[in-house]
Amino acid sequence: QQQVKQSPQSLIVQKGGISIINCAYENTAFDYFPWYQQFPGKGPALLIAIRPDVSEKKEGRFTISFNKSAKQFSLHIMDSQPGDSATYFCAASAFGHNQGGKLIFGQGTELSVKP
Amino acid sequence: KAGVTQTPRYLIKTRGQQVTLSCSPISGHRSVSWYQQTPGQGLQFLFEYFSETQRNKGNFPGRFSGRQFSNSRSEMNVSTLELGDSALYLCASSLVRPDYEQYFGPGTRLTVT
Repeated sequence: QQQVKQSPQSLIVQKGGISIINCAYENTAFDYFPWYQQFPGKGPALLIAIRPDVSEKKEGRFTISFNKSAKQFSLHIMDSQPGDSATYFCAASAFGHNQGGKLIFGQGTELSVKP
Repeated sequence: KAGVTQTPRYLIKTRGQQVTLSCSPISGHRSVSWYQQTPGQGLQFLFEYFSETQRNKGNFPGRFSGRQFSNSRSEMNVSTLELGDSALYLCASSLVRPDYEQYFGPGTRLTVT
């Protein structure tokens, strides 16, 4: 019940296209859903995060869509660029249950944006 | 503001030895969480410290331990190292309020031979 399932494992997108990564969870106590971007040799960097009280959040080219009833959330990268090529992780935590510091991560998606 | 710093960045140890890793959080952040990253298991939560107390713990054996000091700096220790402990160990710090946004350091790459 603690799992977060992420798909696809890898994704190839043309420059200018839309990259879409999906995640699903079971634990209804989860109430905080961040996305991280990781480049080789670096630690994960926080991209954008959402709480269940909103269905969508947009920051620049990055948008999170959240479906509470389906227990699914997704990351959309608009106008994908070669510099976006990295591994993306979704995560979840139960902030309201005093477990905000315990992130449960998906398995990651390796994104490659072709010029 | 300086980011999360971790030392050392790289470490090579022999099976059976013990190791201590250090993490300095972003100034003002009182929560420090530790994660293990491996190709096979991905990113797994080890434990979280807040105000010098362990607040949450993941599913790792007792060989993995940690502590937090009054200045919020944190250390994690792994005793009796096994080959499977080879991983990137990441720490992340958070303000906790109003949001639990966690900011990661660059990690310590531990290789056990």
